[in-house]
Amino acid sequence: EPEVTQTPSHQVTQMGQEVILRCVPISNHLYFYWYRQILGQKVEFLVSFYNNEISEKSEIFDDQFSVERPDGSNFTLKIRSTKLEDSAMYFCASSSTGVWTEAFFGQGTRLTVV
Amino acid sequence: LAKTTQPISMDSYEGQEVNITCSHNNIATNDYITWYQQFPSQGPRFIIQGYKTKVTNEVASLFIPADRKSSTLSLPRVSLSDTAVYYCLVGDPGRRALTFGSGTRLQVQP
Repeated sequence: EPEVTQTPSHQVTQMGQEVILRCVPISNHLYFYWYRQILGQKVEFLVSFYNNEISEKSEIFDDQFSVERPDGSNFTLKIRSTKLEDSAMYFCASSSTGVWTEAFFGQGTRLTVV
Repeated sequence: LAKTTQPISMDSYEGQEVNITCSHNNIATNDYITWYQQFPSQGPRFIIQGYKTKVTNEVASLFIPADRKSSTLSLPRVSLSDTAVYYCLVGDPGRRALTFGSGTRLQVQP
């Protein structure tokens, strides 16, 4: 079964450092997303991406965040200057259509900012 | 965006049928109802989606009454591996973002 893969599975970084979280969506999918989940809290939407541009973003997705699809397979989330409160599990997801409910999630990257 | 309310937690035993009800009183005409499952330290996984009446797949059934103000996810004969958090989501398929609530934490015991 096709799956969304994320690397690394765990990233530890120092406050103020830049991190890039990587995702390989399912190959024929057109819509890509990033979500995050702070430990013990809800899954929160960050951003959606379609046709090489952001289609929707949440209030959380401020100027320190950016997304990119550098080639035909990867989808990345960059956090420019990490803060302690950025520590969370970050999930990438993709879907084949614009139907928002049929999203396939990766296993996540646990980001720890120290 | 329709607000959803579901129980915080439920307990069950292996082999039992589990029904999780979600309330969504202000559901809009275009809104669909979708359920996701999440295991610890994993991403959510789509279970089932419906608009009205009943939908069944190999994993679960979704019951939606005529007024659509609530829905019930039914898991037949649960096993220990069904221990997870179950989320009810309601929204317009044209919108990209999924809005997760707190979900229902299902604990299945032997």
